[in-house]
Amino acid sequence: ENVLTQSPGTLSLSPGERATLSCRASQSVSTAYLSWYQQRPGQPPRLLIYGSSNRAAGVPERFSGRGSGTDFTLTISRLEPEDFAVYYCQQYGKTSWTFGQGTKVEFK
Amino acid sequence: QVQLVESGGGVVQPGRSQRLSCAASGFVFSSYSMHWVRQAPGKGLEWVTTISYDGNSQYYGDSVKGRFTISRDTSKNTLFLQMDSLRPEDTAIYYCARSRVSFSKGEVGFDYWGQGTLVTVSS
Repeated sequence: ENVLTQSPGTLSLSPGERATLSCRASQSVSTAYLSWYQQRPGQPPRLLIYGSSNRAAGVPERFSGRGSGTDFTLTISRLEPEDFAVYYCQQYGKTSWTFGQGTKVEFK
Repeated sequence: QVQLVESGGGVVQPGRSQRLSCAASGFVFSSYSMHWVRQAPGKGLEWVTTISYDGNSQYYGDSVKGRFTISRDTSKNTLFLQMDSLRPEDTAIYYCARSRVSFSKGEVGFDYWGQGTLVTVSS
C-alpha cells in the first residue's frame, strides 16, 4: 500500500496569508493520479486538484498544486475565510486508492 | 445537475449485515465508475471500494475485502454496498462518489460526492 503522509497536521494562519500543504508518498505516484480535496465541517469532500496540478471545475485560481514522484504540494495563495477547512491528498495505484490523513487549516 | 443520494444507514449489531444505496441522477450513470469512501467519526477519509462503469470489475480495500460487496443497477441508476460481518470499526459516514472521467477507473479523482449516510455498529 502506498502510504500518503501529510504535513503539517494543523496549519494556523490568518486570512490573506499563504498556505503551503505537503503530501509525501511512501512510493512514487504518477503525477496523473494525485488529487487534492477540501472538506468543510459537516460537508462531503470537494475535489480541488486532479493530475497533481489541474484545478477542478469551479475551483478558484488561488488554489494550485505541484509535485512529482513522492513529493506533492497544495498552495493557497491568499486564504479566504471559506478556505479554513481540512485538506486531503489522494493517490491511485494498481486498482487501489489511498488518502493522506489530512491537514487542517485553522484560524490563527 | 449531478446528484448522489445515499440511504440505508443506521445502527446495526456487530456481525450483522447492512445494505447501503446511492441513487444517482443528472448524468449517464452507466458511463462512470463509482466509489464508496468512508469516514469514521472525527477521522480522515478511507477508500472502501470501486466498481467499474460496466460493473465488470470491483476493487476493495484490505479492511473490507471478503466482507463488503459493491454492485450497481443501471436500470435504476443506483449503486449498492452490501456490508456483511460488520465490526465496530466499520462505524463511519459512508459516501458514494463518482469518477471525474467517464469510462475510467477513477484514477484522476472523484468529482461528485453524496452527503453520506451514517452506519453505527454497536451492540
